[in-house]
Formats: sequence, structure tokens, C-alpha cells
Amino acid sequence: KNEVEQSPQNLTAQEGEFITINCSYSVGISALHWLQQHPGGGIVSLFMLSSGKKKHGRLIATINIQEKHSSLHITASHPRDSAVYICAVRVNNDMRFGAGTRLTVKP
Amino acid sequence: DSGVTQTPKHLITATGQRVTLRCSPRSGDLSVYWYQQSLDQGLQFLIQYYNGEERAKGNILERFSAQQFPDLHSELNLSSLELGDSALYFCASSPRQITDTQYFGPGTRLTVL
Repeated sequence: KNEVEQSPQNLTAQEGEFITINCSYSVGISALHWLQQHPGGGIVSLFMLSSGKKKHGRLIATINIQEKHSSLHITASHPRDSAVYICAVRVNNDMRFGAGTRLTVKP
Repeated sequence: DSGVTQTPKHLITATGQRVTLRCSPRSGDLSVYWYQQSLDQGLQFLIQYYNGEERAKGNILERFSAQQFPDLHSELNLSSLELGDSALYFCASSPRQITDTQYFGPGTRLTVL
């Protein structure tokens, strides 16, 4: 079993829908990152969380340390949100990655 | 544009060869990270340097080595290349530590034939 599990693996939504991507981990962590990988391959760091909730534009990320779970929400989704979203956790000085969630938003 | 540059963009080489990938961090960033992304294993953390010193080591093979120079650019050396080393290699930088937001370069696509 992977230490970092994401669900769903693939997600197709209609423009405007509210989207949730989940990340569960089985190890003790000091921080969790959400990354976005565009179809061309480039990676952008969206959030770094160690507790609570962060919001940036239409993106919201939450983390529950006790339950070892994080969610990434996208409100009013848009076709330009189509990408692979990757959850990564910091374990001591190492980083472990989920397999990613491929999101497709249709107009 | 993240401000992190990587060269070359693409590299095609043969098994057994050695290659060097180069990364220039964002201006002012002291930490550089190297990651490998392959189709079968996804993203993996390889190594982190902070201000010229190795700070953290992940899943880096003994055939791979890295260094960070006084001007803070970094190089990842891959030797005795195998077919399975074909992957995208990303460099990222951050102001200081691994918990900082990281800024990723565009990646180097390595193909080993």
C-alpha cells in the first residue's frame, strides 16, 4: 500500500462544478503540498499546509492532521483547471508523492 | 515562469553513458531539490542542497550524484545509464527549507536508448 493515496484517480467535470480531490497518508508528516501539473508537464506548487485551511482564488485546501487526510477543492471549475493534481507529504527530510488525480473540466 | 531554469530541455543518450543536468534556482533561493518523474513510479524526491551543502536525501541511486556550486546553481550527474532511467527530471528551488513553497523548473526529459 502506498503511503500517500489520492482519490479519485481520474475525474471529469462540467465547467462550473465544485470539485474535491482527496489525499490520505499513513505516516507522520510535518507538511503537505498540493501540486498542479499541466498537460505540457510543468509543475506549479499550489499550497503548503501543516494545519487548518488555505484559500487562493477558487482553490481551497484543508488538512486534518488527526485523520491524516487533506482535500483540495476547486470552486466554479473551468477548462483551464484541467491538469493532474498531486499530493506530496514531507516525512522528516524526505518527500513522498501520491500518484496524482487527473482532472478534466469540459466546457 | 517560475524563475527556475533547467538545461537541456531534452536529452537522448545510450545505455552505459553519463549525462549532466543543470539547474539555476530563482534569484535569492538557497535550496535546490531534484526530482525524477517516470511513467511507472511517478514523482520521486532525489536530493536537496542548501547553500552548497547536501541537506536531505531521498530515493537517489548510487549511480546518481549532485552538487550545488557557490553561485547556487546545481548539477545532477547520472552515470552508467539504464533504460529505466528514462524520465523527466525536475529541479525546484525554495528560499530555505523543504517546508517552504517550492518553485519548479520546466524539467529535462531524458531518453535512454
